[in-house]
Amino acid sequence: GENVEQHPSTLSVQEGDSAVIKCTYSDSASNYFPWYKQELGKGPQLIIDIRSNVGEKKDQRIAVTLNKTAKHFSLHITETQPEDSAVYFCAASSGSARQLTFGSGTQLTVLP
Amino acid sequence: NAGVMQNPRHLVRRRGQEARLRCSPMKGHSHVYWYRQLPEEGLKFMVYLQKENIIDESGMPKERFSAEFPKEGPSILRIQQVVRGDSAAYFCASSWGPTGEQFFGPGTRLTVL
Repeated sequence: GENVEQHPSTLSVQEGDSAVIKCTYSDSASNYFPWYKQELGKGPQLIIDIRSNVGEKKDQRIAVTLNKTAKHFSLHITETQPEDSAVYFCAASSGSARQLTFGSGTQLTVLP
Repeated sequence: NAGVMQNPRHLVRRRGQEARLRCSPMKGHSHVYWYRQLPEEGLKFMVYLQKENIIDESGMPKERFSAEFPKEGPSILRIQQVVRGDSAAYFCASSWGPTGEQFFGPGTRLTVL
């Protein structure tokens, strides 16, 4: 089955700096890669996703890049703000397996 | 446009009791997924259902756990004879189709005493 590795597990940045979180996956059949933000006591919130037919996608301060050859994808947050502080999860799935396989999460702290 | 709804938000059970967790998908969504999150860990897939059908239950323990998504009403995750190891947050997600984005509910936090 699919295995998703995520790092770093914790990340602290100064407000205004950029944050990068990286994930690798094992199943070459995976073709859908969402990112979720989870605040304390809440459910995961979809913030951006990318499918395997594109290499990069951007939405305001958030961008995701995908390298299918190397089987890794990354989340980039620019101009970080204190409200970006949360746990971020990457995930992967293939067309035949609807289930999402999640990484272990990254606790992002944005210091004011 | 209400999102995915789950209830109860918090559930306390004693060992050996039954736990019933309910999930109402977003309007227009007919695909439901259940995930479990242990403390300090990521989410683990349990089961995927469409109306009246279990499509994939490969992540669900073979004993004590069952799920359903009837034609009318919410999806139910049922845990019989709960044990302390069942204590976790259980999240439901829904999508409009099998390859659509999954949107999560707020979760049910189960505590087994």
